Amino acid sequence: IQLTQSPSTLSAFVGDRVTITCRASQTIDGWLAWYQQKPGKAPNLLMYKASILESGVPSRFSGSGSGTEFTLSISSLQPDDFATYYCQHYNDLSWTFGQGTKVEIK
Amino acid sequence: QVQLQQSGPGLVKPSQTLSLTCAISGDSVSNNGATWNWIRQSPSRGLEWLARTYYRSKWNYDYAVSVKSRVTINPDTSKNQFSLHLNSVTPEDTAVYYCARDPAYSPGWTRNAFDIWGQGTMVTVSS
Repeated sequence: IQLTQSPSTLSAFVGDRVTITCRASQTIDGWLAWYQQKPGKAPNLLMYKASILESGVPSRFSGSGSGTEFTLSISSLQPDDFATYYCQHYNDLSWTFGQGTKVEIK
Repeated sequence: QVQLQQSGPGLVKPSQTLSLTCAISGDSVSNNGATWNWIRQSPSRGLEWLARTYYRSKWNYDYAVSVKSRVTINPDTSKNQFSLHLNSVTPEDTAVYYCARDPAYSPGWTRNAFDIWGQGTMVTVSS
């Protein structure tokens, strides 16, 4: 199963609502996670099971979706949110990541 | 607070074995609910899961198809750590290598997501 994120790059203002999409090459179950990664750092888990917010992650982050399309939304973009975001899926002893979406300051 | 501390060389010669260790604090490699993983990241391959080990009455091991013939993951309960060994490396194995935990979610299931990561080790394969 391949995961394709869109857009690859997103330019936005502080305060904007942004949405990142992760599309799977076939219908997947709910084992979908989202990560934030900043340069030189390890990825940081934001959401798992598609819509469960990881402890300590701000509530402006939310996840949804089913079937082949899943989304990560940030309700009001903050300066600390400029980073690269990855989706990740588990299926049949294989953990697959999307190619990433870079969120830049406009 | 769970932390993972990686150690190992940053330069490996082609055809040799890449070996990295991940020391666990605040949790146990024998944790009956979690799994312990290695993941790498490179510009050409992106984020790629490589291997996992976990204890469920006995030790279990799973490997990515892409590296299965070359990779071994080993738990060390005496030191509360686990290691990655990747043999016959080529320049294509150049990447940042991470260890990571997949925690328990419900009985018999993990989250299938990685909540704690090591700091990363940049490994270059070059003569």
